[in-house]
Amino acid sequence: GAVVSQHPSWVICKSGTSVKIECRSLDFQATTMFWYRQFPKQSLMLMATSNEGSKATYEQGVEKDKFLINHASLTLSTLTVTSAHPEDSSFYICSARIMGRHSTDTQYFGPGTRLTVL
Amino acid sequence: DAKTTQPPSMDCAEGRAANLPCNHSTISGNEYVYWYRQIHSQGPQYIIHGLKNNETNEMASLIITEDRKSSTLILPHATLRDTAVYYCIGTGTASKLTFGTGTRLQVTL
Repeated sequence: GAVVSQHPSWVICKSGTSVKIECRSLDFQATTMFWYRQFPKQSLMLMATSNEGSKATYEQGVEKDKFLINHASLTLSTLTVTSAHPEDSSFYICSARIMGRHSTDTQYFGPGTRLTVL
Repeated sequence: DAKTTQPPSMDCAEGRAANLPCNHSTISGNEYVYWYRQIHSQGPQYIIHGLKNNETNEMASLIITEDRKSSTLILPHATLRDTAVYYCIGTGTASKLTFGTGTRLQVTL
C-alpha cells in the first residue's frame, strides 16, 4: 500500500514557540494532502486541505495564520503551528490522496505527530 | 458526506470472524463507503471501500446491502492485532473524510 511518513513523531515545545511538522508521501505523488487533529478520546477533525502549488483550504474555525500549511512539492506538505500554546497540544495527522480503482480517490494516513506545548 | 451510524463497541474472540455493521441510510448514489481503522496512538489505516458491489481484499470483505442503506465489514479471522477503532465513512470521493465515533473492536483470547 501507499506509504505516508511524518516527522517528527513527537515534539515538546515551550509556549510561544513555533513547531513545524512534515508529511511525506514516500512511494507516490500527491497533489492533495490533508491535515487532521485529534484530541484525547475524540475522533479526527479535518483542519485543512493542502494542494500542491496553491494555498491551503482551511475548515471553519481553524485559524490559517496560526496553522501555516505549505505544499511545495508533490511529495511534501508541512504544517507549522505558530506561537504554540498548551491548548494546541494534540495529535496531528496528515494524509495524502491517491487515485485508485474505479477512478476513486483513497487517502492514506501518516503515523501522526504528538505535540505537547508546555 | 453521508451520516453513518455504528455501534460504539464490539467484542470478538480471536480466530473468529468479526462482523462490523454500519448504517448509512442517507447515502447518495455516487457516494462510496470507506472503512478505516485506528489502532491506539497511530494514524488511521485504510481497509477497503465500495460503491454497491461487495468487495474483498487481503484485509477484509465489505458487504453492501442492495438498497445501499447499510454495510458490514468482515474480518474473517480476527487476531489481537485487529483491536482498534473502526470507522465507516460515506463520501462522494475521499477528498473530505468525516470521522464519526466509530466502533471500538476488542479482540479477546
